[in-house]
Amino acid sequence: NAGVTQTPKFQVLKTGQSMTLQCAQDMNHEYMSWYRQDPGMGLRLIHYSVGAGITDQGEVPNGYNVSRSTTEDFPLRLLSAAPSQTSVYFCASSRTQEYEQFFGPGTRLTVL
Amino acid sequence: LAKTTQPISMDSYEGQEVNITCSHNNIATNDYITWYQQFPSQGPRFIIQGYKTKVTNEVASLFIPADRKSSTLSLPRVSLSDTAVYYCLVGGANTNAGKSTFGDGTTLTVKP
Repeated sequence: NAGVTQTPKFQVLKTGQSMTLQCAQDMNHEYMSWYRQDPGMGLRLIHYSVGAGITDQGEVPNGYNVSRSTTEDFPLRLLSAAPSQTSVYFCASSRTQEYEQFFGPGTRLTVL
Repeated sequence: LAKTTQPISMDSYEGQEVNITCSHNNIATNDYITWYQQFPSQGPRFIIQGYKTKVTNEVASLFIPADRKSSTLSLPRVSLSDTAVYYCLVGGANTNAGKSTFGDGTTLTVKP
């Protein structure tokens, strides 16, 4: 099993550009989530999904969109990148909400 | 949201036992307590999870008092490789579970 994979590993954007961070898992997990981690800080939940077709907002959802058309994939879209979105983004999955989360390697995003 | 409070940092020496306490005064009935470890430039990794009393696995123990308003992660005989950030996460299988959040974590530094 590959576990949780994220692409790209690194990305530099200009202010106003849009992009999609990819996340996939091959463990047939129902629950998936996106976090951002700013330097020296903990992780903050952006969006999450409890199953295909179901998504909800987390702690810091503004400026981000998600969709969950399949169990495996949970892409995160930045609509119009801003310097404040410079961060490391982690995707995670778990069997259901209460079980341990498995994290991907992260995407380091810089917005100029 | 179940908010958690942990010490910002702790120091220890190789071979010692380390106890990290997390406060979660507004923990809900259905919430579990989960601890994660994070090394620099990596996603968090699951350590242990519990609901009440004591849980032990091959790497750590988790102590939860009867009122469940706090929990203590115990790492026996730490080594240099245990230097990391440790996060306490509270959440469960209810409508708020998807919004369980990481705090800022405890940075543990193990010295030789």
